[in-house]
Amino acid sequence: GQQVMQIPQYQHVQEGEDFTTYCNSSTTLSNIQWYKQRPGGHPVFLIQLVKSGEVKKQKRLTFQFGEAKKNSSLHITATQTTDVGTYFCAADGIKAAGNKLTFGGGTRVLVKP
Amino acid sequence: DGGITQSPKYLFRKEGQNVTLSCEQNLNHDAMYWYRQDPGQGLRLIYYSQIVNDFQKGDIAEGYSVSREKKESFPLTVTSAQKNPTAFYLCASEGDRAFVYTFGSGTRLTVV
Repeated sequence: GQQVMQIPQYQHVQEGEDFTTYCNSSTTLSNIQWYKQRPGGHPVFLIQLVKSGEVKKQKRLTFQFGEAKKNSSLHITATQTTDVGTYFCAADGIKAAGNKLTFGGGTRVLVKP
Repeated sequence: DGGITQSPKYLFRKEGQNVTLSCEQNLNHDAMYWYRQDPGQGLRLIYYSQIVNDFQKGDIAEGYSVSREKKESFPLTVTSAQKNPTAFYLCASEGDRAFVYTFGSGTRLTVV
């Protein structure tokens, strides 16, 4: 079964509002990556988090790695229509996966203008 | 510009036929990956290769085959043994920065 869980699966946001999506694992992760896939497109790398409690910002996007390195979050402020897409977290350090990434199921973001 | 090129963008296959999806990269990356994505779903790993002339099965390798004869190329063959091949196929490569993948634009395969 899936070892990296993302919630929510769908996020409907009013333009201008903030939202947060979460990525959770039952095991300790070495690092976590976030990717964005626009509708009809391919995943594009956004950020990599490595340290416990790490916080990184990219304009209106704030990424956080949990203190226990078992979860991560992506917070988007003042959502715009350009934020539409699916956000995937991908983790290393999941024993069964070996030395490669395990992707979460994604959070699909729809923005209401 | 460096990148990954997947071709064709759209592919239609008759049942019982094998088809080969192309993936070429000029990023000088050692590792390459093939993922399958079904509508509204996440990415599932089919095969991966961390070095030329070597590759490993991923989570859903049955009905697929690959080769890695050159560093730049990692073609995926969808065989007739794959019972439900209609999907979006994504190729990715990984360079010096571990776990930072560069994806191609994908191939949409439809069985008709």
